[in-house]
Amino acid sequence: AQRVTQPEKLLSVFKGAPVELKCNYSYSGSPELFWYVQYSRQRLQLLLRHISRESIKGFTADLNKGETSFHLKKPFAQEEDSAMYYCALGVPGSGNTPLVFGKGTRLSVIA
Amino acid sequence: DSGVTQTPKHLITATGQRVTLRCSPRSGDLSVYWYQQSLDQGLQFLIQYYNGEERAKGNILERFSAQQFPDLHSELNLSSLELGDSALYFCASSARPDTSNYGYTFGSGTRLTVV
Repeated sequence: AQRVTQPEKLLSVFKGAPVELKCNYSYSGSPELFWYVQYSRQRLQLLLRHISRESIKGFTADLNKGETSFHLKKPFAQEEDSAMYYCALGVPGSGNTPLVFGKGTRLSVIA
Repeated sequence: DSGVTQTPKHLITATGQRVTLRCSPRSGDLSVYWYQQSLDQGLQFLIQYYNGEERAKGNILERFSAQQFPDLHSELNLSSLELGDSALYFCASSARPDTSNYGYTFGSGTRLTVV
């Protein structure tokens, strides 16, 4: 079964410091990977998709198949980045395997 | 606005009662997913529908049931409620049943409090 692990429940960094939110996955094939962000228990918003290799709000994430990781990074944290971040895994082409989410990491950016 | 509408936003009810949560997917989306979010368990997948048919079932209790109607809105029915059912219930939608690299669009959730 697919599994997503986010080892840190809470990550605190100072404003302007680099941020790395860890995500490791367990899946034998080539997954679809996503990062979602949730501000103050509001709706989850899609932040990044690995397939698009884009940078959103200064965040980037690279899929490392060798390490089965999809860590989220930002060089300089801002206070408005404080939120809950979820890594999610999808199985390509499967019509009955919903996204599997990690338990999330709460990022707290300290002024 | 994300396009996924969930009602009600808040619900407070007593143990043993039954409630219905409603979700209207984003226009054009045929797949609906229900997730439960609690503080210690994160996001737990409950059930998926695609164009009116059940596609996948997750950790959904027998006291819970759901359906998707011809107009594609979905309802999640929770019965014989227990204190532990208190959580945020999210609905999400997607155009296709597979994730297709686009992920899901989430609604703003229904916060259920069982007292």
